[in-house]
Amino acid sequence: GQNIDQPTEMTATEGAIVQINCTYQTSGFNGLFWYQQHAGEAPTFLSYNVLDGLEEKGRFSSFLSRSKGYSYLLLKELQMKDSASYLCAAMDSNYQLIWGAGTKLIIKP
Amino acid sequence: NAGVTQTPKFRVLKTGQSMTLLCAQDMNHEYMYWYRQDPGMGLRLIHYSVGEGTTAKGEVPDGYNVSRLKKQNFLLGLESAAPSQTSVYFCATQAGDYNEQFFGPGTRLTVL
Repeated sequence: GQNIDQPTEMTATEGAIVQINCTYQTSGFNGLFWYQQHAGEAPTFLSYNVLDGLEEKGRFSSFLSRSKGYSYLLLKELQMKDSASYLCAAMDSNYQLIWGAGTKLIIKP
Repeated sequence: NAGVTQTPKFRVLKTGQSMTLLCAQDMNHEYMYWYRQDPGMGLRLIHYSVGEGTTAKGEVPDGYNVSRLKKQNFLLGLESAAPSQTSVYFCATQAGDYNEQFFGPGTRLTVL
């Protein structure tokens, strides 16, 4: 079957660094997406990885290892506005997104 | 540009009632999706469309129907609402296979 695993909740301190992990099992693979979702709002796109390695976008970076079925989202210099859920989604061979349940990130001052 | 809009934003139904959710986009995207999001679960695909006049079933299609008569609109119908359909419904659009999806603001539906 197809499955995405990510931690349910994480807590970090303002100004610190946090890494949110995601493991996936899909029928075929066409890339890994990360989305941010603030409470009561819609998901918004953060990053897309299809090749192994690290992609950096400002304070956010995303890493992919296709051989391990593993990705992580790295958030640096955490700000209170980064408190949100972070959704991992893998694209399968039919170009459908398989979604994880999301990781709720709590930032403490 | 409005992007992706959904109507209505909130709705309360009684069991057995029917309703239609409207998703509209001005992004000229080919692909459109209907998801539901429940606490502790990932987004689950209900139905999707890869172009005007086409629709296909997703992971949880039972109790729902869809239509895409115009490229910019994707309608989701609940024929006879059940309490298990209480959820937040998101519409999303996508330009093509490897592109990101853009989401509407969501519809919060409660079925009593």
